[in-house]
Amino acid sequence: EVQLVQSGAEVKKPGESLKISCKGSGYTFTNYWIGWVRQMPGKGLEWMGIIHPGDSDSKYSPSVQGRVTISADKSIRTAYLQWDSLEASDTAIYYCARHLTPVTYDALDIWGQGTMVIVSS
Amino acid sequence: DIQMTQSPSSLSASVGDRVTITCRASQSINTYLNWYQQKPGKAPKLLIYATSSLHSGVPSRFSGSGSGTDFILTISSLEPEDFAIYYCQQSYIIPLTFGGGTKVEI
Repeated sequence: EVQLVQSGAEVKKPGESLKISCKGSGYTFTNYWIGWVRQMPGKGLEWMGIIHPGDSDSKYSPSVQGRVTISADKSIRTAYLQWDSLEASDTAIYYCARHLTPVTYDALDIWGQGTMVIVSS
Repeated sequence: DIQMTQSPSSLSASVGDRVTITCRASQSINTYLNWYQQKPGKAPKLLIYATSSLHSGVPSRFSGSGSGTDFILTISSLEPEDFAIYYCQQSYIIPLTFGGGTKVEI
């Protein structure tokens, strides 16, 4: 079964760092782009960026560029989303999702279960 | 960035109704348009990709059409499990932007 399994919920204070993960299984991890999508409380979906685990090529939305880092470790089939200094506005559910077609970034067909991140003093 | 505008933002419908949701892009995206369904507390699910291709396992009552800047998601006969929020997304150019969502309510 093709699936993405994300790390568990996090409660952090402003200024703290955080790295959440997304582990792929059931497919050739290095062939498909993986994206990260944010959903703030009660709001819609916001695309944050993508990474190609094969060569770690990454692309970001201008709205998050410089605030988060997307990375991947192909040896353990895991992608990451990382913050060096969290803000209260980072409170959201974060989804990883695999793109449908190898090599290209098109539709997102396999989604992780989501990781809730709460940032509060 | 390409802006994606969905209308309506919400609608009320009954089981058996035909429902249409519109998505408009701020510039041409060819047919690089995808539709997702999200239910409360769940991750989104892909329904339709490349404007009109039905994703595996998605019921045939869902269909998509359009090209350029204007796209439509149609549910031919609403089922109880279809009450959810629907999002469009363009995959023409990065950043891959989503529409604001359409909530389909009873």
